[in-house]
Amino acid sequence: DADVTQTPRNRITKTGKRIMLECSQTKGHDRMYWYRQDPGLGLRLIYYSFDVKDINKGEISDGYSVSRQAQAKFSLSLESAIPNQTALYFCATSGTSDTGELFFGEGSRLTVL
Amino acid sequence: GQNIDQPTEMTATEGAIVQINCTYQTSGFNGLFWYQQHAGEAPTFLSYNVLDGLEEKGRFSSFLSRSKGYSYLLLKEFQMKDSASYLCAVMDSNYQLIWGAGTKLIIKP
Repeated sequence: DADVTQTPRNRITKTGKRIMLECSQTKGHDRMYWYRQDPGLGLRLIYYSFDVKDINKGEISDGYSVSRQAQAKFSLSLESAIPNQTALYFCATSGTSDTGELFFGEGSRLTVL
Repeated sequence: GQNIDQPTEMTATEGAIVQINCTYQTSGFNGLFWYQQHAGEAPTFLSYNVLDGLEEKGRFSSFLSRSKGYSYLLLKEFQMKDSASYLCAVMDSNYQLIWGAGTKLIIKP
């Protein structure tokens, strides 16, 4: 089983709908992140959390919200989806290693019609 | 602004040595990362450089020159399974990761 699990893996929805992407991890890491990936662009940070009571906006937080329900769970919500939010979304975690390397979930492909 | 540049695409023949370059302009520097991402999959960590020089890890090596804002990933004995995108990322002074768009490495038939 994957250490970082995202659900759903694929979702097609309509403009204006509320969508939640969920992420859970078994790595015991405090730090969790949500990124989006678009063709031809680098990964862009949406939100990040360094512990359960800590939530921070990333580079492109407009139109998104998050909830850190527990150390192991970090959810991303699109309150009213729009077509330019069509993208591949990744959840990631990091621990306290010297490198701070990220461990990514398998990705959630979201299409907004 | 902050910027990471790497080639969009490269081709290589099996057995070749491949060098993927990355140049960066960021607000401060706290390390450079290389990740591998196969199509439709999650990125996975390859290497980390924070000091100048070469870090070797099996068939993969990564080089850093902080004064030049430059890094490269060197892959020896290129194999079909190495066909993937290679992402360069720099951690800035606020410990935020700035990502390049990735270099797609394709095997030459």
